[in-house]
Formats: sequence, C-alpha cells, structure tokens
Amino acid sequence: DTEVTQTPKHLVMGMTNKKSLKCEQHMGHRAMYWYKQKAKKPPELMFVYSYEKLSINESVPSRFSPECPNSSLLNLHLHALQPEDSALYLCASSPAPVFGANVLTFGAGSRLTVL
Amino acid sequence: KQEVTQIPAALSVPEGENLVLNCSFTDSAIYNLQWFRQDPGKGLTSLLLIQSSQREQTSGRLNASLDKSSGRSTLYIAASQPGDSATYLCAVPSGRGSTLGRLYFGRGTQLTVWP
Repeated sequence: DTEVTQTPKHLVMGMTNKKSLKCEQHMGHRAMYWYKQKAKKPPELMFVYSYEKLSINESVPSRFSPECPNSSLLNLHLHALQPEDSALYLCASSPAPVFGANVLTFGAGSRLTVL
Repeated sequence: KQEVTQIPAALSVPEGENLVLNCSFTDSAIYNLQWFRQDPGKGLTSLLLIQSSQREQTSGRLNASLDKSSGRSTLYIAASQPGDSATYLCAVPSGRGSTLGRLYFGRGTQLTVWP
C-alpha cells in the first residue's frame, strides 16, 4: 500500500461547527504533515508530526488542532473557522523525519468550504 | 529562505509537442528535488524525484534534469497528450536550517494540451 488516504474529500461547514479531517497511511512512515493550499497558490506547511509527536507548528491559529493518535493516523480538528480558511487541505507522509531529505507522499486532499 | 520559481506560469500547446518546464531555486544546498502533478481541485501526484547526486531521472515520456550548482531543474514532456493537462509543481527542501518536512514549492506551470 503506497497511498495516503484522506477523508472526507469535500466538507462544507458553518463558522460555529466542529468537524475533523482524517488522514491515514500504511506505509510505515514515521513523519506526517498537514499542508494548506489556497486556489492557484502553492501548498503551505501547517504542521509536522515526527514519531507521533508534534514537532512543527507553523504559527497556525488555534482553531486548527492537529492530533496524531498513532503512527498511521493524523487528524485535523476544526472549530470556529472563518470563510478565509476555505482551501484544499493536503496530508502527506514520509519514511522518517530526516532533516532536509524528506520525500513526501501526498493524499488527494480534503476540499473545505466554510460558510 | 528557499525561493522557487517556475517558468512559464501557463502553457497551451497542441497535442504531440515536446515541452520544457523550468524550475529555479535560490538555495543550492538541497538533498533532492521533486516534480509533482496536480489536477484541478485534487492532491499532488509525485512524478519524479531527483537526488542531489543525480543529474536526471526518467519515467516514461517524462525526463527531469537537475543542475544543482546553478539552481535549476527542467522537466521535459515528450509527445504531449491531452491527458497531460494539469498543473506541474516543482518542490525542494532546504538543507540549511530548514523546517523539518518543509517543501518549498513553486507556483506551478499550468499546462493545457489540446487535441
């Protein structure tokens, strides 16, 4: 299995809702990532988990809350989002958090729309 | 900070043409470079990975070259087909004090191949 699986593919939520995005990989990778991509822009790093521990938070607002329950799963909990948070959220994984030499495998993304 | 530039931003060609997509980066202390394909609203599909010690990689009709010293990579697409229509992204990590797991992306080349 060489895939990163993201669910749901599409999510529409109001600003008062609480929802979660899920990401799963079974490649034995020990680093997992959340990226955010706005329309016609390159992906931007949000969070990095290394051996199930949060190692990087790129100054992301607290309304985004990541969670890594085990080495195969990565969640992104969403609460009190703003319309400008509407974007494609990409999960990725890599074999090991080797500094500077990561080769990332990306999922298909979750398209989030905040009304 | 690593800066990645891709030229051209958009390309529209008839089927059958051989294409050249360009990527340049400012920090040559990279371990590897990846080319990705992204279909509209979808995730990233890795096309080719070139390690810093390599000069080129080939996969089917795709060939990517890397000139690390000059900070450039080129993606060649031979005998283009309408199914090649997508956005092509170039991404590099940075070896100098980079954020673990951060890939620096170009803004992409949006390719349209018409029949």
